Amino acid sequence: GQQLNQSPQSMFIQEGEDVSMNCTSSSIFNTWLWYKQEPGEGPVLLIALYKAGELTSNGRLTAQFGITRKDSFLNISASIPSDVGIYFCAGSRGNEKLTFGTGTRLTIIP
Amino acid sequence: DVKVTQSSRYLVKRTGEKVFLECVQDMDHENMFWYRQDPGLGLRLIYFSYDVKMKEKGDIPEGYSVSREKKERFSLILESASTNQTSMYLCASTRTPMGFSYEQYFGPGTRLTVT
Repeated sequence: GQQLNQSPQSMFIQEGEDVSMNCTSSSIFNTWLWYKQEPGEGPVLLIALYKAGELTSNGRLTAQFGITRKDSFLNISASIPSDVGIYFCAGSRGNEKLTFGTGTRLTIIP
Repeated sequence: DVKVTQSSRYLVKRTGEKVFLECVQDMDHENMFWYRQDPGLGLRLIYFSYDVKMKEKGDIPEGYSVSREKKERFSLILESASTNQTSMYLCASTRTPMGFSYEQYFGPGTRLTVT
């Protein structure tokens, strides 16, 4: 099945830095979701976006639903050690299935 | 809080064994899903269910079957386990009615090794 393109694939940053990642598709989605997965655990939902142009925050996390409906962005401000993990985007076209991104692995350098 | 639980965190089975993976959600969700997650391949949908006794094939149903006898429980069955079914298996559920899904909530996963 199709996967969404996420970039970057991995990031190595220092504690306190801001993080930006994005997810792109060749087709339109009606809903964008962002998940975080820690080693050995299932993905945890961070933010859900339902309208083109929508900007939603969850603490230090902010996500945007791209105006073209073919992309989405996630920003993390002032990163802390517990932000480490793999971040996945997922899109829904309004049916029962989600299409997932390839993931961005975030590592924080002490 | 939504709670999705899976019966085992780690499982080791032999080739040819019948394997049952159980998933339970406590939020009265209509839709339930089974995925497998492999490095470089991301999450792939195996089967999903809209309601009790209903099931639909996902992208990779071969070698798997499912059972949903009660709304809160969705089981994944490997009829005859093979080594290429070694993977992380994730169950998810959503609260929306049939035909639309978003905000899937995942269980902690079962890491299955078939030897």
